[in-house]
Amino acid sequence: DTEVTQTPKHLVMGMTNKKSLKCEQHMGHRAMYWYKQKAKKPPELMFVYSYEKLSINESVPSRFSPECPNSSLLNLHLHALQPEDSALYLCASSLILDPAAKNIQYFGAGTRLSVL
Amino acid sequence: GQNIDQPTEMTATEGAIVQINCTYQTSGFNGLFWYQQHAGEAPTFLSYNVLDGLEEKGRFSSFLSRSKGYSYLLLKELQMKDSASYLCAVRPNGGATNKLIFGTGTLLAVQP
Repeated sequence: DTEVTQTPKHLVMGMTNKKSLKCEQHMGHRAMYWYKQKAKKPPELMFVYSYEKLSINESVPSRFSPECPNSSLLNLHLHALQPEDSALYLCASSLILDPAAKNIQYFGAGTRLSVL
Repeated sequence: GQNIDQPTEMTATEGAIVQINCTYQTSGFNGLFWYQQHAGEAPTFLSYNVLDGLEEKGRFSSFLSRSKGYSYLLLKELQMKDSASYLCAVRPNGGATNKLIFGTGTLLAVQP
């Protein structure tokens, strides 16, 4: 089983709304990631959690707030977003093994976000 | 800086072979990954190279030359369902961060 589940699949929100994206995996992975992907562009890393602690923040604006409540769940809280934040938000997870190992990242299907 | 280059688009014929190239210049190197992404869907893992040489996996093979900063993905016996974007990604560092840097992706169109 290599499934990463993201909800909701689609989300439309206004610039004053607060919403959350959710990601769940039950593969025992201890690294979880948030990526942002614009149309016809590659995924851009936003955040990495390792052992439920934030290990990478790629200078993401504070209107995006990640949370990792336990080893299976990853949330992305959204507040006061801008229309340019409209994109596909992808969650991924991987094992954390020896650095030379594959540690393949498995992706969820994403949440397509539209900010009006 | 980090730079990963791929051709933007390629077209190939069903049943044929296609090679998608990827060149990279990164601050370090600890593995190269190829992902397939159909429009509007999640990237799915295809292959991984960390040592020089060819890795074969069914219809898909991937090659790496670390000294040249070069990799390619070879797709054989192309099928219509292989029409997708192919993403090359480099992991510049080891350790727990497992950060990937993605190339711009190559959109492959397979024609009958």
